[in-house]
Amino acid sequence: GQQVMQIPQYQHVQEGEDFTTYCNSSTTLSNIQWYKQRPGGHPVFLIQLVKSGEVKKQKRLTFQFGEAKKNSSLHITATQTTDVGTYFCAGPSDSNSGYALNFGKGTSLLVTP
Amino acid sequence: DAGVTQSPTHLIKTRGQHVTLRCSPISGHKSVSWYQQVLGQGPQFIFQYYEKEERGRGNFPDRFSARQFPNYSSELNVNALLLGDSALYLCASSLVAGTQPQHFGDGTRLSIL
Repeated sequence: GQQVMQIPQYQHVQEGEDFTTYCNSSTTLSNIQWYKQRPGGHPVFLIQLVKSGEVKKQKRLTFQFGEAKKNSSLHITATQTTDVGTYFCAGPSDSNSGYALNFGKGTSLLVTP
Repeated sequence: DAGVTQSPTHLIKTRGQHVTLRCSPISGHKSVSWYQQVLGQGPQFIFQYYEKEERGRGNFPDRFSARQFPNYSSELNVNALLLGDSALYLCASSLVAGTQPQHFGDGTRLSIL
């Protein structure tokens, strides 16, 4: 079945450094979503990308959807301690199980001051 | 407006018992989805319900069941609990069925002894 894979699994940066996490799907996606989960919290929706090659920005965060709609990335410029958490990508499942979102295992970001 | 609310927040059960988890969606949202999140992993899709009907089912055994009520709230039931069922169970709501962006509750932390 479809798999959504994320790398790296962990990233530890100094405050002010940039950070990038990558998401790859084994199949073409109709859309891809990104979520952030703070330690001890629940996933919070960040953004949805739909179009091939789409780029969206939210302040210091830049999201890209690949031309083939099988990969995506999240880039954070000049990280801050408030960026700490786990970032998940999620895409619609292509199985026959009806509506379902497949989440990647996430990239955990640690930012030290 | 209140977000997605889940109860209870924590639960301890023993192997073989059953459990019922409850979820109230955001006002106006008619779709509820359930996810299981094991420590260090991304949320894994269990069910989606819309207008009281199952619209999606993940790869979970028949010990897992759910239902949605006329007020759009939902219950997740797990029978014959196993140690491996220990996890954070997340409920998410969206306006309609499908792979819409998910609004998650704080989850129920289930521990099986």
